[in-house]
Amino acid sequence: KQEVTQIPAALSVPEGENLVLNCSFTDSAIYNLQWFRQDPGKGLTSLLLIQSSQREQTSGRLNASLDKSSGRSTLYIAASQPGDSATYLCAGQDSNSGYALNFGKGTSLLVTP
Amino acid sequence: NAGVTQTPKFQVLKTGQSMTLQCAQDMNHNSMYWYRQDPGMGLRLIYYSASEGTTDKGEVPNGYNVSRLNKREFSLRLESAAPSQTSVYFCASSEAGDGYGYTFGSGTRLTVV
Repeated sequence: KQEVTQIPAALSVPEGENLVLNCSFTDSAIYNLQWFRQDPGKGLTSLLLIQSSQREQTSGRLNASLDKSSGRSTLYIAASQPGDSATYLCAGQDSNSGYALNFGKGTSLLVTP
Repeated sequence: NAGVTQTPKFQVLKTGQSMTLQCAQDMNHNSMYWYRQDPGMGLRLIYYSASEGTTDKGEVPNGYNVSRLNKREFSLRLESAAPSQTSVYFCASSEAGDGYGYTFGSGTRLTVV
């Protein structure tokens, strides 16, 4: 089973700072890697999807990279804002369990004004 | 809006009662999934359906049953609810395989007393 680990578990930064969230996975035979955002008491919102043939994806202030050889993905958030405060989840997909996603436990981000 | 719809959003059950969580998607996806989310545990796969007419166990299937009613609908049933099944339940759908992302429902918050 693909094991996904996210570091740090929690992070607090002042507004305007650039930050990096880390995700590692155990099986390099990964297909997609997807980053989600979850606000308290809410569902999961997809942020970025990196296909197995890709190395990175960008959307606005967000950039995610995937290095299958080292088993790592990073989510870079530029010029953070208080509205970015949420839990960020990394999920890797392999061919097991009908291509289900295997989730990390998330990084809880607080951006202070 | 296209997406994954879950009902109900909230439910309180007494120990031993039964209930069915409903999930429907309108994106014509082949694969559907049920996850549960618990504090400190992340999201864990309960059951999945790789295609219409098939269902398989995930990581934590005990105490649950599922039905893939048709391509759109995938229900999760608790036959005899236990306090350990208090959780937030998420349904997701995807085309599965490399290159396809996942869409999640807004979740069902279940409390078993």
